[in-house]
Amino acid sequence: EVQLLESGGGLVQPGESLRLSCAASGFTFSSYAVSWVRQAPGKGLEWVSSISAGGSNTFYADSVKGRFTISRDNSRNRVDVHMDRLSGADTAVYYCAKAPRGQLVPFEHWGRGTLVTVSS
Amino acid sequence: EVVMTQSPATLSVSPGERATLSCRASQSVGNELAWYQQQRGQAPRLLIYSASTRATGIPARFSGSGSGTYFTLTISSLQSEDFAVYYCQHYNNWPPWTFGQGTKVEIK
Repeated sequence: EVQLLESGGGLVQPGESLRLSCAASGFTFSSYAVSWVRQAPGKGLEWVSSISAGGSNTFYADSVKGRFTISRDNSRNRVDVHMDRLSGADTAVYYCAKAPRGQLVPFEHWGRGTLVTVSS
Repeated sequence: EVVMTQSPATLSVSPGERATLSCRASQSVGNELAWYQQQRGQAPRLLIYSASTRATGIPARFSGSGSGTYFTLTISSLQSEDFAVYYCQHYNNWPPWTFGQGTKVEIK
């Protein structure tokens, strides 16, 4: 069974940094692209960032480009996103999502999400 | 950036009735369109990809159609578990792979 488990969320102050992790199991992790999608409270879904299966290609939404860095460790079945210079606009539930083999999108499996709250 | 517009924002339907949701893209996305269902407090679930292909385990009452700029998701006979928010997402070419703003299907 495919499982994606996000961790690392919490309350941070504006301007601070945070690292989220996505631990994967139940599939050949190194063969699949992984993405982060976020959802602000009461709002819709926003694609944030994606990383290819091998990790050589990364993609970012304009809203996070230059502040977020996605990475993966295929030996540990894990994808991280390092988030810098956080603001209230980054407050959201962050979901880790997996694409079908050989693709970056769509997102066929999702984790349960981790909440990031940016507030003073 | 491709803008995805869903309509209506809210759809009130009685159990057992048919529901049709729409999604329009600001430019052609071919058939690279997915639909997701999100029940309250849960993560989204992939329903449809490539505009009309049901994802694994999705009941046959869900169907998708369309290509280019106009797409529909039809639920043929609404069950209690189908009352949820539905999102479309394009994945044509390069990112950003934008979502629509969602359609909430509620009990009439």
